[in-house]
Amino acid sequence: GQQLNQSPQSMFIQEGEDVSMNCTSSSIFNTWLWYKQDPGEGPVLLIALYKAGELTSNGRLTAQFGITRKDSFLNISASIPSDVGIYFCAGRHYNNNDMRFGAGTRLTVKP
Amino acid sequence: EPEVTQTPSHQVTQMGQEVILRCVPISNHLYFYWYRQILGQKVEFLVSFYNNEISEKSEIFDDQFSVERPDGSNFTLKIRSTKLEDSAMYFCASKGGEDQPQHFGDGTRLSIL
Repeated sequence: GQQLNQSPQSMFIQEGEDVSMNCTSSSIFNTWLWYKQDPGEGPVLLIALYKAGELTSNGRLTAQFGITRKDSFLNISASIPSDVGIYFCAGRHYNNNDMRFGAGTRLTVKP
Repeated sequence: EPEVTQTPSHQVTQMGQEVILRCVPISNHLYFYWYRQILGQKVEFLVSFYNNEISEKSEIFDDQFSVERPDGSNFTLKIRSTKLEDSAMYFCASKGGEDQPQHFGDGTRLSIL
């Protein structure tokens, strides 16, 4: 099906450390997106990926669309306290218009 | 920057009552969505809407749910007879084109008593 497996579920890191999280799927997606959600707010788009192998950066964030089209990762370099939140991957299957979300990675950054 | 707006931010309703959640998508967007997020869980797709009709819906979106775009700006989600398990954050999203990313509103927290 179109289930997304996102890992890790949570991370506790020191300020300044790099972070990596990923999503995998058993089916092929034609779009991968990464969102961040702060408490009480809606998901905010971080990076959108549209082509297999695509590597895209947004400031300290870098995300890649896996070659197999079944996975994506998000890296955050030199983490800062405001990076705290829940990061969701989301994928769109090639033959429909809806999106599926991963379960999220809860990031805690210790100053 | 244009944004998706949702009202109310918090809705408290008695079980069995009807509730309407309102969304104003970004003005030139063509695709509209509703999602649900139960506290502490992931965001779940409910329904997508394009060209004045539902294009996809999930198993969560049963006969108690309906969506409407009554005019050129609003996009509503109605729950006909609310149940306790409908308590969740409901997010509206929109996008401008098929290959564009979705942008989310800040959600409506629905509490069913």
